[in-house]
Amino acid sequence: DGGITQSPKYLFRKEGQNVTLSCEQNLNHDAMYWYRQDPGQGLRLIYYSQIVNDFQKGDIAEGYSVSREKKESFPLTVTSAQKNPTAFYLCASSGDRGGTEAFFGQGTRLTVV
Amino acid sequence: GDSVTQMEGPVTLSEEAFLTINCTYTATGYPSLFWYVQYPGEGLQLLLKATKADDKGSNKGFEATYRKETTSFHLEKGSVQVSDSAVYFCAGGDTGRRALTFGSGTRLQVQP
Repeated sequence: DGGITQSPKYLFRKEGQNVTLSCEQNLNHDAMYWYRQDPGQGLRLIYYSQIVNDFQKGDIAEGYSVSREKKESFPLTVTSAQKNPTAFYLCASSGDRGGTEAFFGQGTRLTVV
Repeated sequence: GDSVTQMEGPVTLSEEAFLTINCTYTATGYPSLFWYVQYPGEGLQLLLKATKADDKGSNKGFEATYRKETTSFHLEKGSVQVSDSAVYFCAGGDTGRRALTFGSGTRLQVQP
């Protein structure tokens, strides 16, 4: 089945550590996105990539980094510079260069311990 | 920039009640509009969509009509079930924009 796979589903991070969240898609989509969701809140765009080897900052990119070396993969690193990383992280992809129907993964819940 | 405004929740209904969740958008041009649903602990699933004015999207008993004159895309269902309890997000977007713009979400709680 085609879709988006995020891993792990739950992740625990100690203060000062970097962690990387995985996102893989087999939909042959050009565009991929990372969103952050806090309890009771909407989605905020962290980074997006409209094509391989290119990505752009979203609205809350500080403390995060990404890479897009392969079309099917868009990993997100939460660095120690992110002061409040505990949240639910959602990866998505779309077939056109952004702004059209997006398909979402199941999410990764990151908790700082 | 683009913005999507939807009614705040939670919306609490009894089973078999009629549901309306309001959504209005502000954008340059006429973007495609979407409703997504999120169940606890999961990602978002596309519920329905409309790509142009007067289009009606429908799925699983839910409907929404793209009203250009009022810039609205209200979600409706004639008879809700307990299993419809979830958070509903309205979104708008178009090719060339950087990403979909989402509303803040509306939590629906359906009681037996």
